[in-house]
Amino acid sequence: EVQLVQSGAEMTKPGESLKISCKGSAYIFANYWIGWVRQMPGKGLEWMGIIYPGDSDTRYSPSFQGQVTISADKSINTAYLQWSSLKASDTAMYYCARSLGVDYELDSWGQGTLVTVAS
Amino acid sequence: SYELTQPPSVSVSPGQTARITCSGDALPKQYAYWYQQKPGQAPVLVIYKDTKRPSGIPERFSGSSSGTTVTLTISGVQAEDEADYYCQSTDSSGTRVFGRGTKLTVL
Repeated sequence: EVQLVQSGAEMTKPGESLKISCKGSAYIFANYWIGWVRQMPGKGLEWMGIIYPGDSDTRYSPSFQGQVTISADKSINTAYLQWSSLKASDTAMYYCARSLGVDYELDSWGQGTLVTVAS
Repeated sequence: SYELTQPPSVSVSPGQTARITCSGDALPKQYAYWYQQKPGQAPVLVIYKDTKRPSGIPERFSGSSSGTTVTLTISGVQAEDEADYYCQSTDSSGTRVFGRGTKLTVL
């Protein structure tokens, strides 16, 4: 069974850096894109960007370009989402999801990582 | 920026048919996808490429497309279908976009 397992909840302070992870299993990780989706408290889903672990081709939503960095290490089947300087407004649930292509469905999702940024 | 427009809420009684619409200018050229999200859970794909149903999704879920509007139809709604539903497509630059979501209430 295809699984995406995300790292645990994080509580951090404004200005700190953070990297969360998404580990795939039971499929060829390098052959599928991994996308990231933000869900702020009580709000809808927002598309952040996507990476192809096979060659690290990365595409960002304009809303998140320059705000986060998406990366992947295909040798350990893991994708990452990182911030260099968090803001309170980054408080949200973050999901990773698998896709066969840039314009294909998100067919399997991680369980989500809750990031809380507060002083 | 490109927007997909969904009604904020839809209410139906058990056994009735629920229809959730999603409108966007690029929908005649781009596929639409539908995701179900129950409280405290990750989203689940229920319809892909406008009309296709993934394995494991009940037959009562179906999708259709007409011009700039796609529709998710749930026939014979059950209490367990109460959830938020999001449509998703791509804009002209290939960036994915989600609709704002529709809360389905089963009365």
